Amino acid sequence: QKEVEQDPGPLSVPEGAIVSLNCTYSNSAFQYFMWYRQYSRKGPELLMYTYSSGNKEDGRFTAQVDKSSKYISLFIRDSQPSDSATYLCATVSGGYNKLIFGAGTRLAVHP
Amino acid sequence: DADVTQTPRNRITKTGKRIMLECSQTKGHDRMYWYRQDPGLGLRLIYYSFDVKDINKGEISDGYSVSRQAQAKFSLSLESAIPNQTALYFCATSDDGQGSGTEAFFGQGTRLTVV
Repeated sequence: QKEVEQDPGPLSVPEGAIVSLNCTYSNSAFQYFMWYRQYSRKGPELLMYTYSSGNKEDGRFTAQVDKSSKYISLFIRDSQPSDSATYLCATVSGGYNKLIFGAGTRLAVHP
Repeated sequence: DADVTQTPRNRITKTGKRIMLECSQTKGHDRMYWYRQDPGLGLRLIYYSFDVKDINKGEISDGYSVSRQAQAKFSLSLESAIPNQTALYFCATSDDGQGSGTEAFFGQGTRLTVV
C-alpha cells in the first residue's frame, strides 16, 4: 500500500465550478500535509500546507485535513482556467522529514 | 536566476550510455532530492541527501547513483541507461522543516529519453 494515495484524474470542470481534490494516507503519525501545484513543463510549487487536523484558507483555496479518516482535501472555489495544473498532495515522513507525494491529479478548467 | 537549476533541460540518449544530470541550488539548503515523474505514478524518490556526507536511497534507486559534490550541488547518474528510465527528472531542496513542515523547492526538470 502506498503511503499517500491520490486519484490521477484527469478532472475537467467548467470555469466557476467548485473543485474538490482528495488524498488518503496510511500512517496516523503523519502531521504535516501539503498541496503542490505543477504547471505544464514546470516543477511543482508549494500551494498550501496544514498541520494536524482542521482547515486552512487562502483566497479561493481551502486545505482540509481529517485525521480520523486519514483524508486530506483541497477545495478551489470559483475555479479559473489559470488553475489548470496538476495538484499533488504530500506529507512528511519519519524522523528525517522525508517528503512523500501522491500521484498528482491533473485538473483542467475550461472557459 | 532560478533557485534550483537543472542541466540539461532535455536529453536524448541511447541504451547503454552513461548519463549525468546535474543540479545546483542557491537556497542554502542542506537537503537535496532527486525524483522521477511518470504519468499516473507521480513523483517517486530516487535518492536524497541531508548533507554532503549523508546520502540515502529512495524508493526506486536501482540503476541510479548520486554524488553530492558540495552543499549546493547534487548530481544523478544513470550508469547504463535503459528505455524504462525515460521520464521527467526533478531535483529539489528543502530546509530541515523544524516547526513548520517541509517546503521543497523544485528545479524546472530534465526530460530524459532513452532510445
